[in-house]
Amino acid sequence: SAVISQKPSRDICQRGTSLTIQCQVDSQVTMMFWYRQQPGQSLTLIATANQGSEATYESGFVIDKFPISRPNLTFSTLTVSNMSPEDSSIYLCSAGGPYEQYFGPGTRLTVT
Amino acid sequence: DAKTTQPPSMDCAEGRAANLPCNHSTISGNEYVYWYRQIHSQGPQYIIHGLKNNETNEMASLIITEDRKSSTLILPHATLRDTAVYYCIVGRPASNTGKLIFGQGTTLQVKP
Repeated sequence: SAVISQKPSRDICQRGTSLTIQCQVDSQVTMMFWYRQQPGQSLTLIATANQGSEATYESGFVIDKFPISRPNLTFSTLTVSNMSPEDSSIYLCSAGGPYEQYFGPGTRLTVT
Repeated sequence: DAKTTQPPSMDCAEGRAANLPCNHSTISGNEYVYWYRQIHSQGPQYIIHGLKNNETNEMASLIITEDRKSSTLILPHATLRDTAVYYCIVGRPASNTGKLIFGQGTTLQVKP
């Protein structure tokens, strides 16, 4: 299994600003993923973060809004840019084991 | 769109077995069945996965029908701590660039 940590655990941000969320894994992993969970909803995949290449975004998510970095096999960041109240969500990262994914505790973002 | 169908909610008495059904009639030959759960305010937790054989681990058992079009997750002796949203997901292994698409899941309420 893998242990995933995220920073910050929560934040309150003003409209129009940006927030970078960090995800750290305690072992080297090939695949990392970023999800969004809006209040009362299920998880929606934002993008797949591959080390050494650009992230692959799901439909409805674009790099200008959610730039992702993956500098090595244990770390990734997700930036939420030019935030609006609609971006208020929990953002989670996960890392892929051989046959399963392990999730971080999430970053609770509130945009005012 | 999610490729699985689950009942939105179920109740179970504490100490009894919880049987959570899932339909995945369009599953392809190289896709696995995964079960995750999300306890309130936490990241999802991997439970179990299977391809075509029944599987058991310390948390649960997974029963997959012979035609692979449906499965059942069994929690043999449910406790109050098992109250969570349970997600049935089909997909390729994470190490094979597979990604998990979450549906709405089943909210399991374990009652005293």
